[in-house]
Amino acid sequence: DSGVTQTPKHLITATGQRVTLRCSPRSGDLSVYWYQQSLDQGLQFLIHYYNGEERAKGNILERFSAQQFPDLHSELNLSSLELGDSALYFCASSVQGAGNTIYFGEGSWLTVV
Amino acid sequence: EDQVTQSPEALRLQEGESSSLNCSYTVSGLRGLFWYRQDPGKGPEFLFTLYSAGEEKEKERLKATLTKKESFLHITAPKPEDSATYLCAVQGRLTGGSYIPTFGRGTSLIVHP
Repeated sequence: DSGVTQTPKHLITATGQRVTLRCSPRSGDLSVYWYQQSLDQGLQFLIHYYNGEERAKGNILERFSAQQFPDLHSELNLSSLELGDSALYFCASSVQGAGNTIYFGEGSWLTVV
Repeated sequence: EDQVTQSPEALRLQEGESSSLNCSYTVSGLRGLFWYRQDPGKGPEFLFTLYSAGEEKEKERLKATLTKKESFLHITAPKPEDSATYLCAVQGRLTGGSYIPTFGRGTSLIVHP
């Protein structure tokens, strides 16, 4: 158990809908990262938050957004969903800084039908 | 841009047959190289962090080594329970205020009894 908690574990939704994925980081970690993993793309970095502030963006679509709350949990919002958004979405957390290991949650498996 | 290439993509071994997985990287100023194990449908599980060329770390049947251009994950006398995908990631220069790990596509290892 990494200490990073993600909900829901699985969800199935229709195209055009909106979903929210939730993440609680490890105790004491201020950094939260979101990654997307699909069969043909591997692990792709989406966005990073540190202590409530957005710090870096990767290949995140405009239809996707995220935030980190004062209690440090984070949410990833996915809207106007398309079939191609079906993937595993991972949250990871770490102590901020160079060389610090990031620890992953078990992921949220999203299927868009 | 940081790049990570893992080889082979897939590897089949007999139980007890030792082998090595390769992770070649290009990074501007290595801050850390990370190895993870990922079981199907699960989150990546942290194995090792290496920081400088010449460094080695061991855990049970696994040993990770690092040079200036690549890292190896040596698996000695593997067992079927070592079957998983092994991911390599590098953390390089600061990107927009963050040190973001870049992941390779992974090596899928199957160990036959």
